[in-house]
Amino acid sequence: DAMVIQNPRYQVTQFGKPVTLSCSQTLNHNVMYWYQQKSSQAPKLLFHYYDKDFNNEADTPDNFQSRRPNTSFCFLDIRSPGLGDAAMYLCATSREGGGRAFFGQGTRLTVV
Amino acid sequence: AQSVAQPEDQVNVAEGNPLTVKCTYSVSGNPYLFWYVQYPNRGLQFLLKYITGDNLVKGSYGFEAEFNKSQTSFHLKKPSALVSDSALYFCAVRDAGGFKTIFGAGTRLFVKA
Repeated sequence: DAMVIQNPRYQVTQFGKPVTLSCSQTLNHNVMYWYQQKSSQAPKLLFHYYDKDFNNEADTPDNFQSRRPNTSFCFLDIRSPGLGDAAMYLCATSREGGGRAFFGQGTRLTVV
Repeated sequence: AQSVAQPEDQVNVAEGNPLTVKCTYSVSGNPYLFWYVQYPNRGLQFLLKYITGDNLVKGSYGFEAEFNKSQTSFHLKKPSALVSDSALYFCAVRDAGGFKTIFGAGTRLFVKA
């Protein structure tokens, strides 16, 4: 059974057109993460939530925003996608402490 | 600040031979260390973790990793490689007090039949 679900798997958006990627979890984990991964490079942490507390990485562009309306759902909003934002976006969850991260299948974003 | 290094972009090994994928880390305090595997166009799959205890950690699919505190290393190993092990492998570190997991650059493993 899927535990971290990302929708859609593939997303095509136009340059400058806002886009939202979604993530849901059935694990009831209190920590949720969004990573950006380009061309089989290391996943780069954009931000994470610990419960409702939002933690933005210092180098995450302002163009990227996130919402977590409840424990189960987390959204990544890209306000004005550029060509450089084309990437795989990975959502992950973990329990606090030493828990491992559970990843979704990712959403591959194409910007045209 | 925590960091993790995977010094090899690619590792080639023949099927049936042992494999090692290297990882070194830097973190303040006690580290939580992880290995994940990624197949094309998929999310990351967990292989194993080290939190505390025995330095040799056993994980999924016959993989294991050895934690070496003095060398700040956490190399991934498997006694006998399979062609199906060919994938991208990521080492990751989290400091014990935080939630931020940092990934290495990844090592692509090719296993030849």
